[in-house]
Amino acid sequence: KNEVEQSPQNLTAQEGEFITINCSYSVGISALHWLQQHPGGGIVSLFMLSSGKKKHGRLIATINIQEKHSSLHITASHPRDSAVYICAVRVEGETSGSRLTFGEGTQLTVNP
Amino acid sequence: NAGVTQTPKFQVLKTGQSMTLQCAQDMNHEYMSWYRQDPGMGLRLIHYSVGAGITDQGEVPNGYNVSRSTTEDFPLRLLSAAPSQTSVYFCASSYSWGGVGNTIYFGEGSWLTVV
Repeated sequence: KNEVEQSPQNLTAQEGEFITINCSYSVGISALHWLQQHPGGGIVSLFMLSSGKKKHGRLIATINIQEKHSSLHITASHPRDSAVYICAVRVEGETSGSRLTFGEGTQLTVNP
Repeated sequence: NAGVTQTPKFQVLKTGQSMTLQCAQDMNHEYMSWYRQDPGMGLRLIHYSVGAGITDQGEVPNGYNVSRSTTEDFPLRLLSAAPSQTSVYFCASSYSWGGVGNTIYFGEGSWLTVV
């Protein structure tokens, strides 16, 4: 079983819909990242969280450390939001900033 | 522009050939790493470095070699390419370990096919 599980694996939405992508993990973590992978392959960091909630534009990320769960929400979705969204965790006690454990990703398609 | 630069973007190799994927960053980041991405799997760590002269193995290091002679560069060498190494490779860097403000930067990816 993966230490990081994302759901759903695939998500299709209509433009304007509110979208939620979930990430559950089974290990103690010090931080959780949400990443976006564009159709061309490039990966960009959206958020890094250790507690609470962060908002950037139409994107909102929340984390519940006790429940080992995080969600990424997209409000008023747009076709340009179509991408793979990846959850990654920095396992507690890891001494290297580059050692992340990744979920398999959620493929989001937003239709006009 | 600041960021992580990976080359080449596409490469086809024959089984047994060797090659080097280049990765450079101009942000003075201490931490650099190489990941591979395969269908149905999350990114997996191949090797990482916490500073010049210091490297260590990740989750899937076999068949790969790295070195870190400067802060900027972190090349990944395939010693004798095998079809199982067909994958998309990503280089990543970050300023330090820990801290909520520690953003990770990824390269654009390198698509490698071994025939």
